[in-house]
Parts: sequence; C-alpha cells; structure tokens
Amino acid sequence: KAGVTQTPRYLIKTRGQQVTLSCSPISGHRSVSWYQQTPGQGLQFLFEYFSETQRNKGNFPGRFSGRQFSNSRSEMNVSTLELGDSALYLCASSLVTGRDIQYFGAGTRLSVL
Amino acid sequence: AQKVTQAQTEISVVEKEDVTLDCVYETRDTTYYLFWYKQPPSGELVFLIRRNSFDEQNEISGRYSWNFQKSTSSFNFTITASQVVDSAVYFCALSEAITGNQFYFGTGTSLTVIP
Repeated sequence: KAGVTQTPRYLIKTRGQQVTLSCSPISGHRSVSWYQQTPGQGLQFLFEYFSETQRNKGNFPGRFSGRQFSNSRSEMNVSTLELGDSALYLCASSLVTGRDIQYFGAGTRLSVL
Repeated sequence: AQKVTQAQTEISVVEKEDVTLDCVYETRDTTYYLFWYKQPPSGELVFLIRRNSFDEQNEISGRYSWNFQKSTSSFNFTITASQVVDSAVYFCALSEAITGNQFYFGTGTSLTVIP
C-alpha cells in the first residue's frame, strides 16, 4: 500500500509569490491534515480536511489556505510569501478522525528568498 | 500554554545504553489519545505508538517500551540497548476530542546514539 505522497519535495520561491503544495493520502484515508515545521516553532497544525470540508484550523493567517478533492487528495496554498514561511510542510492522512493514527508524508521543504 | 512538554531538547547516549524520553501533557478532556513519532533525518514522521486515555497499561515492543501514568500526566518512552539507527528526533503528541482531535506536538527530543 502506497504511503502519503507529497509533491514537490523542494521549492524555492521569492517573497510575494504564491505556492501550491500537493498531498495524496493513503488509499482509503479520508482525513488530511497539514503541519508547518520550523526550528523555532516546531510542529504547528495548519488545518484538517475531511470529505472536502475544512474541519479544523490552526492559528495561521488567511494567506494559508487549502482544499480537498473528492478523491481525498489535498492541496495547500500560501499566497504573498514571506521569509518566515520557509519551513518543512508536512501532510498527514488518517482514516476518519484526528484521533486515528496519522501517517505522514516526507514533506515539502519550502525556501522563501 | 503548552499542551505537550518534552523537556529534554537533546540527549546523547553511547550505543547499548538505555534511554528514556520524557513527555508530559496537559488536558481537561477525559477522552484523549497520546502518540509517539520518530523523525529521522529524511524528515518523514514515523508512527511508533498510540495510547488512549482509558488504557494505562504499559506497552513493550521489542526494544521500545512506554510508560503511561495519568496520575502524573506523563507518557514516557524508553529505548533499551540503544542502537545508532535510533538516532532521530522523537515527538510526543496529544489528540483531544474536545478540540476536534487536532494533534498537538511537543517540541521534540533529539536523540544521538554514539557508536
């Protein structure tokens, strides 16, 4: 069974640009969560999607958004990039809810110059 | 306030030593789940264990063992006879029903096993 796939693995952008990251969950998993990981703030929850609906949202500005498609694949978008958005973005999928085991992808490392 | 505290930022041990990683959590919920994940240098978080709030039994899996104590709100992780491959960052996480099962991660403990 394939794991969680995140693309691309690496991205370099400049300030002010926007970026879209993609996540394909494990087959059969309907919940997708996104996390930002930085050395200073650690792992921070961005949002969770279930059945194409955002079910939970962390404390991030509106520049961070996401969506989920009918096949459970998810994308997150960051607009007007800032230097502080440089981070490892991790996607996790689980069967139904957040209390189920979350399985993580390898992440997308975003560098904002 | 931090919901999950991992006070040990970095630990170094010599191979074959035992090591315990501490995790203290805070919740008002009666139904919650605790997790441990391992993050090797490749970056992907690898699931190790899940424990629910109603099951205080300790668990052993090979060289790994977990001690869950509700009385002290702790969920500690012990690696017996550590190996170089155990070198990684270990995260403890909490999921509560009251907050929609969002995961709260600790800041992680970086473990280095020296050969």
